Amino acid sequence: GAVVSQHPSRVICKSGTSVKIECRSLDFQATTMFWYRQFPKQSLMLMATSNEGSKATYEQGVEKDKFLINHASLTLSTLTVTSAHPEDSSFYICSALQDPEAFFGQGTRLTVV
Amino acid sequence: DAKTTQPPSMDCAEGRAANLPCNHSTISGNEYVYWYRQIHSQGPQYIIHGLKNNETNEMASLIITEDRKSSTLILPHATLRDTAVYYCIVRVANTGNQFYFGTGTSLTVIP
Repeated sequence: GAVVSQHPSRVICKSGTSVKIECRSLDFQATTMFWYRQFPKQSLMLMATSNEGSKATYEQGVEKDKFLINHASLTLSTLTVTSAHPEDSSFYICSALQDPEAFFGQGTRLTVV
Repeated sequence: DAKTTQPPSMDCAEGRAANLPCNHSTISGNEYVYWYRQIHSQGPQYIIHGLKNNETNEMASLIITEDRKSSTLILPHATLRDTAVYYCIVRVANTGNQFYFGTGTSLTVIP
């Protein structure tokens, strides 16, 4: 299947700082990418849908000013967690859509201390 | 929103077939059934998807009931590496629509 690369795989940051996570589709172009968050022993929760060249669509309850998404090219979407706090510590996963399938990155473990 | 119901956990003996059920009684006529799995601390991996006909690939088989209200994912010869959480998702394909994950089934393959 197609390859989606997510970077970094792990990051530790101080409370109040911002963290950027990159999601790249390596061998295909993705007009649409999805961002998920997963807490321990829970399922994936969709945060937002990222569309190349337009504003992201956020799920209900997800703060768009806190989780900034940029999808500037057909192979790259970024998620920036702004002013991170310990409760933002989670596993963040991106997915690139090549309909009818979606291909997932390996995830980013964010720890805010 | 997730529109599927799966048992929270299942065990399967190594080498035997693993049959994972999924109920999707409110599925619409144009919604496909997808299966993904997630091995611990990794991103989900696509397994298979189908509309109404049974489907088979190198990983698994998907059996969809005639009324499409339920389906079964079959791993024909489970190995220890198949231990994972398996998610059944319904979605309209080829529309850019989202994938919403339910709670999934945690499959443990026992030696």
